[in-house]
Amino acid sequence: DAGVIQSPRHEVTEMGQEVTLRCKPISGHNSLFWYRQTMMRGLELLIYFNNNVPIDDSGMPEDRFSAKMPNASFSTLKIQPSEPRDSAVYFCASSADLAELSYNEQFFGPGTRLTVL
Amino acid sequence: QKEVEQDPGPLSVPEGAIVSLNCTYSNSAFQYFMWYRQYSRKGPELLMYTYSSGNKEDGRFTAQVDKSSKYISLFIRDSQPSDSATYLCAMKYSSASKIIFGSGTRLSIRP
Repeated sequence: DAGVIQSPRHEVTEMGQEVTLRCKPISGHNSLFWYRQTMMRGLELLIYFNNNVPIDDSGMPEDRFSAKMPNASFSTLKIQPSEPRDSAVYFCASSADLAELSYNEQFFGPGTRLTVL
Repeated sequence: QKEVEQDPGPLSVPEGAIVSLNCTYSNSAFQYFMWYRQYSRKGPELLMYTYSSGNKEDGRFTAQVDKSSKYISLFIRDSQPSDSATYLCAMKYSSASKIIFGSGTRLSIRP
């Protein structure tokens, strides 16, 4: 398996532009997570989906951020309009739901490095 | 106060040394304790996880959890330059809950 695939790997845009980040989870995984990593705030969970349904979006910073998962093999994170403070590395991760007491390991993608000028 | 506290380092040690990385936490409800390793410009990868208290060993790596002190540790024996990375501690309340990450400790092993 190729692992979690994210695109683009790097994105440079100007303030006010729309940014769309894409993620393909590992085949067979039914949970998908979007994280943001910055020096100041570390790694933060933005939103996670289970079986394509958003379960917890309490980490989404504001209405400018939205995420969708139209099917089991694809998810997008959209920022509109983008601001310089959105500059960060955005990671997508996926996991398979196992038995209750099992640890459901999350596998991370390589990340998208976003710079908003 | 953050739920999970971790010294950001950087920590630099000579090759072959024993490395000790630590985190403290405030919520006694955490049940799953993990260590992730993140190489530069890569995503985090799970190194070890422990359920509840105790020790777990995997090769040169040992994870310890002391729930009474709300303190977890990762020890690396016979450290190698390839161990140079950022190490993030992480915790969960249950198998289905979200992960709370520490800020990460940047480790450098000098040849």
